[in-house]
Amino acid sequence: LAKTTQPISMDSYEGQEVNITCSHNNIATNDYITWYQQFPSQGPRFIIQGYKTKVTNEVASLFIPADRKSSTLSLPRVSLSDTAVYYCLVGLYNFNKFYFGSGTKLNVKP
Amino acid sequence: NAGVTQTPKFRVLKTGQSMTLLCAQDMNHEYMYWYRQDPGMGLRLIHYSVGEGTTAKGEVPDGYNVSRLKKQNFLLGLESAAPSQTSVYFCASSLSPRSGSYEQYFGPGTRLTVT
Repeated sequence: LAKTTQPISMDSYEGQEVNITCSHNNIATNDYITWYQQFPSQGPRFIIQGYKTKVTNEVASLFIPADRKSSTLSLPRVSLSDTAVYYCLVGLYNFNKFYFGSGTKLNVKP
Repeated sequence: NAGVTQTPKFRVLKTGQSMTLLCAQDMNHEYMYWYRQDPGMGLRLIHYSVGEGTTAKGEVPDGYNVSRLKKQNFLLGLESAAPSQTSVYFCASSLSPRSGSYEQYFGPGTRLTVT
């Protein structure tokens, strides 16, 4: 299985940059990497997707090294509203290797 | 657009009872999914569908059945509920990967308790 490993939790302060790393050693050649954000009592919300190198959108950046065995979600200048659980997902359309993981609980403090 | 909607939002069942959860999407997505999320855990894929009339098993399919008679609807059935099926159930939909997008759109969830 293309399982993922993430830190269970992270703390940060408002205005800081937060980097969350996900390990996915068994990623397959065709697998994309996607990240989701989930608030309590809500469904996950898509943040960003990537295959290699760096991807940036209006809310985050995704860094993927050449070997693709890990990826790092970067959230610039976090605010209290960024307190949530962040999931790294790999193997999205290889359903036999589909794994959401337990996520990283980010706590942003004032 | 309503996006992905789920019915009902909450339900309490007794062991052995049956029920159907309804998921509807208005984005003309080909792919639809049912997940369960237990407290403090990530999401686990129960069943999925890559098109109208087709369904397939995910990671934890036992005790559940699904049907996709219409493209916009994906039904999850529990024939004989068990306490181990107490969970929050999320439905999601997405375009085909051929579109280049891997974004899944999630519904608000159904909180199911089996006593």
